[in-house]
Amino acid sequence: EVQLVESGGGLVQPGGSLRLSCSTSRFTFGDYIMAWFRQAPGKGLEWVGFIRSKADGGAPEYAASVKGRFTMSRDDFKGIAYLQMDSLEAEDTAVYYCARDIRPRTYYYYYLDVWGRGTTVTVSS
Amino acid sequence: EVVLTQSPATLSLSPGERATLSCRASQSVSSYLAWYQHKPGQAPRLLIYDASTRATGIPARFSGSGSGTDFTLTISSLEAEDFAVYYCQQRGNWPRTFGHGTKVEIK
Repeated sequence: EVQLVESGGGLVQPGGSLRLSCSTSRFTFGDYIMAWFRQAPGKGLEWVGFIRSKADGGAPEYAASVKGRFTMSRDDFKGIAYLQMDSLEAEDTAVYYCARDIRPRTYYYYYLDVWGRGTTVTVSS
Repeated sequence: EVVLTQSPATLSLSPGERATLSCRASQSVSSYLAWYQHKPGQAPRLLIYDASTRATGIPARFSGSGSGTDFTLTISSLEAEDFAVYYCQQRGNWPRTFGHGTKVEIK
């Protein structure tokens, strides 16, 4: 069974930083777009960003709400996707999920067929 | 940006009843629409993609229909594990967008 496991969440002060990790197993990680989503308390799912496979340039795309503050990267050898979050704001408080595109080698993700259970980020003083 | 409007916001039903959830797009997304199920503390789960294709391992009581701007997710007979929040997501346009969800709760 393909699995994703997020880690790295926690409590951080406004203006601080955190790095989330998304560890994978049992699939050819490097071929897939990996995406990040979040769910703030009482809200729905919000797309945060995604990173393309290296074969498709490896470029990330970000939601406007996090652009310039969040950075995505990937280590295909280890099968880990990262979300570096800087200049955190209270509005970034959420459960963060990573997810895999349903198809390999897409340029914009299609649908997300594997998700992790999420890691909680709380931004508060 | 394509806005997806889901209705109703909450659906109160009993086990065994039929659930009909709606997702309306602000412009056509062809058949490029998915449905996800999300329970508290769990990973979201892809149910349906391309409007009507069940994802791997999804029971036959879940079905999707529609095209263009109007889509429906039907759960033919609710089981205890089906009470959750359901989201639609489109891939017809960039950026991809999600609806705000329909909560299916036990009546």
